[in-house]
Amino acid sequence: KQEVTQIPAALSVPEGENLVLNCSFTDSAIYNLQWFRQDPGKGLTSLLLIQSSQREQTSGRLNASLDKSSGRSTLYIAASQPGDSATYLCAVIRFGNEKLTFGTGTRLTIIP
Amino acid sequence: GAVVSQHPSRVICKSGTSVKIECRSLDFQATTMFWYRQFPKQSLMLMATSNEGSKATYEQGVEKDKFLINHASLTLSTLTVTSAHPEDSSFYICSASTQGDTQYFGPGTRLTVL
Repeated sequence: KQEVTQIPAALSVPEGENLVLNCSFTDSAIYNLQWFRQDPGKGLTSLLLIQSSQREQTSGRLNASLDKSSGRSTLYIAASQPGDSATYLCAVIRFGNEKLTFGTGTRLTIIP
Repeated sequence: GAVVSQHPSRVICKSGTSVKIECRSLDFQATTMFWYRQFPKQSLMLMATSNEGSKATYEQGVEKDKFLINHASLTLSTLTVTSAHPEDSSFYICSASTQGDTQYFGPGTRLTVL
């Protein structure tokens, strides 16, 4: 059974700093990995999707990497802003299966 | 494009009553819809997968007679929580996809059972 873990569970950093969020998964037979953002009491916003054949994806200040062999992904946020405060979730889809398995989430707070 | 809506956004009901939550894909046809539940400060847990015109497939531990799912059209799926109890209070989120492609998520429904 796929298990997805995110460390740390919570993170507070001053505005302007660069930061890294971590995601690890136990089954490397994944089709793709997605990073989402969730604001309190809201649904999910997709940030980046990395196909299994890719090693990274970039969108603006966000960069996500994927290392299937080690079962890890990182989300790098450059020049953090207070508006980046949210919970970040990673999720994986296994080959031949449409189901997303979500990680435990990292609650990020950017201190002005 | 790829917008998914949910209605209602919040609902409060008395214990023992049933509540229906709607999930709609507004600008695309969703062959598959997914229902998730999220307890406070926890991640999303998949409850069931529904394909248009077919019976839903429930995850282990999810009572199919309590959480009735209907996916009668390519743009609408409903989740009915029957005989709701306080422990069913949660945040319910749906997602929709087309033939195994990317899932697009709705804004969620906050259910509170008194």
